[in-house]
Amino acid sequence: GDSVTQMEGPVTLSEEAFLTINCTYTATGYPSLFWYVQYPGEGLQLLLKATKADDKGSNKGFEATYRKETTSFHLEKGSVQVSDSAVYFCALRQNQAGTALIFGKGTTLSVSS
Amino acid sequence: KAGVTQTPRYLIKTRGQQVTLSCSPISGHRSVSWYQQTPGQGLQFLFEYFSETQRNKGNFPGRFSGRQFSNSRSEMNVSTLELGDSALYLCASSNPPKGTDTQYFGPGTRLTVL
Repeated sequence: GDSVTQMEGPVTLSEEAFLTINCTYTATGYPSLFWYVQYPGEGLQLLLKATKADDKGSNKGFEATYRKETTSFHLEKGSVQVSDSAVYFCALRQNQAGTALIFGKGTTLSVSS
Repeated sequence: KAGVTQTPRYLIKTRGQQVTLSCSPISGHRSVSWYQQTPGQGLQFLFEYFSETQRNKGNFPGRFSGRQFSNSRSEMNVSTLELGDSALYLCASSNPPKGTDTQYFGPGTRLTVL
């Protein structure tokens, strides 16, 4: 079945450092890919998404490119802030109505000033 | 537009009891999905409802059930609670029919089973 693998954390960075969180997937066809973020005590917030190969999703300085050839959707940010500290989840969803999001296990990011 | 709301936010129950959680989707959204989040298993899909019909179900025992009302609000029920049911239960709403639609999540209900 479909699955998502993301790098294990925690990832600890200093403010203004460059961030990369790796995500690879296994799926049939061309699913949509997502990054969600979860702040302590809260639900999931959509960070960005891409729905077809070579699409780049971006939001709040974060970017990820849908790479079909390497089945990857790595999350990047050029300069992290303390407020980016959270858990980041990579997910995929097949493009049929009613299908579920399949999540990776999450990567905890901690940014210090 | 108001986001997805879930009630209650916190719940403490004892083994063997049953519990009902509620989810109100974003206005106009007709699909509601439920997920269970635990430290060990991560985020797992429970079920999805659209127009009062369950369209998809995850790999959970029959103790987990749900329903959706005509106003798209949804409830999930867990009967005969077990310690392992302690989790954050997240509800997400979206507006199909496209499979590329985005699911928007509520803050979750934290269930603790003692």
